[in-house]
Parts: sequence; C-alpha cells; structure tokens
Amino acid sequence: QSALTQPASVSGSPGQSITISCTGTSSDVGSYNLVSWYQQHPGKAPKLMIYEGSKRPSGVSNRFSGSKSGNTASLTISGLQAEDEADYYCCSYAENWTWVFGGGTKLTVL
Amino acid sequence: QGQLVESGGGVVQPGRSLRLSCTASGFTFRSYAMHWVRQAPGKGLEWVAVTSYDGTKKNHADSVKGRFTISRDNSKNTLFLQMDSLRAEDTAVYYCAREIYDSGSRSWWFDPWGQGTLVTVSS
Repeated sequence: QSALTQPASVSGSPGQSITISCTGTSSDVGSYNLVSWYQQHPGKAPKLMIYEGSKRPSGVSNRFSGSKSGNTASLTISGLQAEDEADYYCCSYAENWTWVFGGGTKLTVL
Repeated sequence: QGQLVESGGGVVQPGRSLRLSCTASGFTFRSYAMHWVRQAPGKGLEWVAVTSYDGTKKNHADSVKGRFTISRDNSKNTLFLQMDSLRAEDTAVYYCAREIYDSGSRSWWFDPWGQGTLVTVSS
C-alpha cells in the first residue's frame, strides 16, 4: 500500500495553468485507471474535484480537468485563481479491496 | 447530497482504546459502502478502512489491521471505528466518507466527507 507519487508543490500566477501528476503502478492507477482528485483547504475536509478520471461534480469549475496516461494521472487547473490555493490529493483503488492516496501537492498561487 | 458528522475524538494514552462515530443524514445510508480516512498533523491523507453497505464485508489498512475495527449500524445511520492499542503514530484527524462506485467504469470515489474528528495519542 505505497502512496501514489505526487510533486510536493507546484505554483503558478493568476490566469496561468498548472498540472499536478499522480504516478502509481500497474496495480492501481494503471489498472483501475479512473482516479479521483480532492482539494483541501487548511483546516477543512477534502472536497471531491474530479471523479472517474475526468468528470467534474456539479458545482466544480470547468477550469479543473483530469486525464491519464499509463500509470500516471494528471489534474490540470487552468485560469488559476487565488481561491485555488490548496492541497490536492489523488486517490486510486489499489487491489484486494484497498485504496491509496497520493502524498499530496501544495498549490501556491503567486 | 448528504452530510456526515464525526464524533468521539479526544486525547488518549498509548495502549488505550477509543471509538469514533460518524452519523449520516440526507441520503440512504444503508445503500452505500463507507470508509475512514485519516490525516496526521501536517501530513497527507491515508486510507484506513472500508465496510460494505450491509456491514458484512470489511477491510483495513495494514497499518491498523488487528488494532482497528470498522463497523456500522444501519438502523441508526451510523458508522464506527473502534481503535484499540493506540499508538502515538495514530494521532490524526479521522474523516468518514461515503463511497460512490460506478460499476460501468469500475470507478470509485469519496463524496461527501465529514468535517473530521481529532484523535491525539499521548501520555
């Protein structure tokens, strides 16, 4: 049950786009390829941002998008806004009825 | 959409026990698998345990297996986490979350999440 690999931090200026990667193995991201992504502001509960790899729940801005290639899933945020500054986590079903999260990425909006 | 509210956290000495509760409202609790996820101070999210919609199937992360037990009472719309033999490294905010599963895409996700309850293991 090793954590999925995410960059510890990314940053961007308002209006720019950033991408956060989430790398796993053929047993998790590569096998069950539809990861979910969560946003967490300090002191708050995680919030679902992307499910089934690329779908957005109602109310989530279309500036958020998800994709996947091989064992790596990605979250892209376009048109960065100050409110996007938060921690982001990917999550994948692993195997034998277990789940695994990424280590988390701190997004800083410069 | 649904709401989840955790309770039962607090300060406990190493080796002691604690039971967390998560009360659900706004959705048909008995129809969904449920999970516990924790977050140590300043650290990332860690999946802890899952129970099937009817409580007959359960699984726990290796880090808590044999010490923690997930359970549920569908008559009371409540999820539990019994934590025994607590260790300092179990100090974390514990969240409950509803699992959504799509059989067509074989995809799982968690929504909603509770606000979390803090467990501190310290002498």
